[in-house]
Amino acid sequence: QSALTQPASVSGSPGQSITISCTGTSSDVGGYNYVSWYQQHPGKAPKLMIYEVSNRPSGVSNRFSGSKSGNTASLTISGLQAEDEADYYCSSYTSSGYVFGTGTKVTVL
Amino acid sequence: QITLKESGPTLVKPTQTLTLTCTFSGFSLSTSGVGVGWIRQPPGKALEWLALIYWNDDKRYSPSLKSRLTITKDTSKNQVVLTMTNMDPVDTATYYCAHGYSSSWLVGAFDYWGQGTLVTVSS
Repeated sequence: QSALTQPASVSGSPGQSITISCTGTSSDVGGYNYVSWYQQHPGKAPKLMIYEVSNRPSGVSNRFSGSKSGNTASLTISGLQAEDEADYYCSSYTSSGYVFGTGTKVTVL
Repeated sequence: QITLKESGPTLVKPTQTLTLTCTFSGFSLSTSGVGVGWIRQPPGKALEWLALIYWNDDKRYSPSLKSRLTITKDTSKNQVVLTMTNMDPVDTATYYCAHGYSSSWLVGAFDYWGQGTLVTVSS
């Protein structure tokens, strides 16, 4: 199974909104509503931000939202803050297990 | 409060077998719907899912690594063990174990992660 495709980098100014895409196939993103998103700061373990396409775990800011259309999932961060600068990974359940995305570095200008 | 911690060697030689242990607390792997997975991350690279074990001993493996991986659980010790055979320098990575979140008998995400353990493969 191939990694899901994400843009290498996305940037925005404080207060702006940005969207990170995650493109897969009908065998993963398009076939199941088990898309999740993770935030990872340097030297730290990943943190779950979105599960089942659009659900936020308790404690995650409502500035983070997720959606899916066909084989592409998206993570939107609104009201961008300095603390949002990190790497972000999408993931999807597949019939073979799980697959992660290539990762996106978010820079707050 | 759910916590997980990985333990094992920090350095292994090529062709050796790696054994990593995930010791957890705050949940039981005998509870229906619960799963624990292993994910790794080479330095500067993306996350890669390796394996998952469910409460009922159902096991799933990455297709590309299936022949080299074995995942087991010891419910009484609250531990999950991952073994990977025939280690190679390309297997150098931080290895994480994580609690699987499931809402319908299927783990759809990993909601609690260990701190990770860096394993270097070198002679």
